[in-house]
Amino acid sequence: AQSVTQLGSHVSVSEGALVLLRCNYSSSVPPYLFWYVQYPNQGLQLLLKYTTGATLVKGINGFEAEFKKSETSFHLTKPSAHMSDAAEYFCAVSRSGSARQLTFGSGTQLTVLP
Amino acid sequence: NAGVMQNPRHLVRRRGQEARLRCSPMKGHSHVYWYRQLPEEGLKFMVYLQKENIIDESGMPKERFSAEFPKEGPSILRIQQVVRGDSAAYFCASSSTSGENTGELFFGEGSRLTVL
Repeated sequence: AQSVTQLGSHVSVSEGALVLLRCNYSSSVPPYLFWYVQYPNQGLQLLLKYTTGATLVKGINGFEAEFKKSETSFHLTKPSAHMSDAAEYFCAVSRSGSARQLTFGSGTQLTVLP
Repeated sequence: NAGVMQNPRHLVRRRGQEARLRCSPMKGHSHVYWYRQLPEEGLKFMVYLQKENIIDESGMPKERFSAEFPKEGPSILRIQQVVRGDSAAYFCASSSTSGENTGELFFGEGSRLTVL
């Protein structure tokens, strides 16, 4: 079985501040890990993904995430928040990398304050 | 993302009525997935289809729900005799064949069903 826990359903940061969105997973096998973003009134978009290899993954719009096996975490960060980053962010895990086996977290709504 | 088209965006039904949700995948994509998002919860996998075939429906409720992806036209998620608990956002996603193997999905904007 696999599951995803996103700590904090709502996160607020000031513009220019560090963004940190937390994701912990459980998986019986080495996982494939994803972050998706949903902007208002849009569908989810793939932000970044970890499959194998380098544990620090860079995505679009300056976001990155680090896979830490010992902590079963895949936290999403961005050094400096921009107003346009306001969105809902979903962490997801897959046992095999197959799209049909994606398990999503409940999402974190990011608010960026001026 | 705008390539995956879902309609209607919002649908209101009374208990006992039928709801039909449509999804046109991105051009060139032959894999379609339906997910349901209940309030305050993550997206839950419902069904995975390829043209004219249901490949995996392990997430579909056993009764009242059905899905199809005909040779021509959009994929349709059908909910018969809706109940209040069916109120949710229903997301369609598509992938290429390689995307199915890598988990790379392209989502539509969702259809929000409200059952009165």
